[in-house]
Amino acid sequence: EAQVTQNPRYLITVTGKKLTVTCSQNMNHEYMSWYRQDPGLGLRQIYYSMNVEVTDKGDVPEGYKVSRKEKRNFPLILESPSPNQTSLYFCASSPILNVDYTFGSGTRLTVV
Amino acid sequence: AQKVTQAQTEISVVEKEDVTLDCVYETRDTTYYLFWYKQPPSGELVFLIRRNSFDEQNEISGRYSWNFQKSTSSFNFTITASQVVDSAVYFCALSEGDYGGSQGNLIFGKGTKLSVKP
Repeated sequence: EAQVTQNPRYLITVTGKKLTVTCSQNMNHEYMSWYRQDPGLGLRQIYYSMNVEVTDKGDVPEGYKVSRKEKRNFPLILESPSPNQTSLYFCASSPILNVDYTFGSGTRLTVV
Repeated sequence: AQKVTQAQTEISVVEKEDVTLDCVYETRDTTYYLFWYKQPPSGELVFLIRRNSFDEQNEISGRYSWNFQKSTSSFNFTITASQVVDSAVYFCALSEGDYGGSQGNLIFGKGTKLSVKP
């Protein structure tokens, strides 16, 4: 089944403890991106990647890192999480820009 | 600057009623793409439709239909004969530009929460 898989689905962590949210797609898509969803603010893009080894900042990149060492994986790294990064995170992929974006099921992160 | 406005925060209807969700967008690009996504209570984002700026034809898919009007910068979504399973938050989104000039950033509206009561 074609899909974008995020792990974990739920995570509670403490301030400052490094964490990684994984994202993997099995559709050979070139384009991948990360969004966060917050009440009243909607969804906002964090980082995106046009292809392997090509990543760039979205609208809200502060406090996050990403890597794209292989086409299928696009992990989101929080080196030192803070409570303001408590959010619902989505990974998305598409064959190229501006076609149908497939989203993962989301990761609900709580930083205490 | 790009912007998507979904003025209706919440809508409540009774099953079998028709309901229209409004979406108004702003962009300076002549090439852009419009999307609708559904977010059911389980939280995932489900793709419904994509339209490019050069295709103003309305689309119908079962009980769903979309009305794209460039003259009013609107891309409205109608559900005919609504059902309880349609209860969800619906997002309209805009992406600008072609492959070489865009970061593929989906600009989302704040969403409309639709509640369909039996």
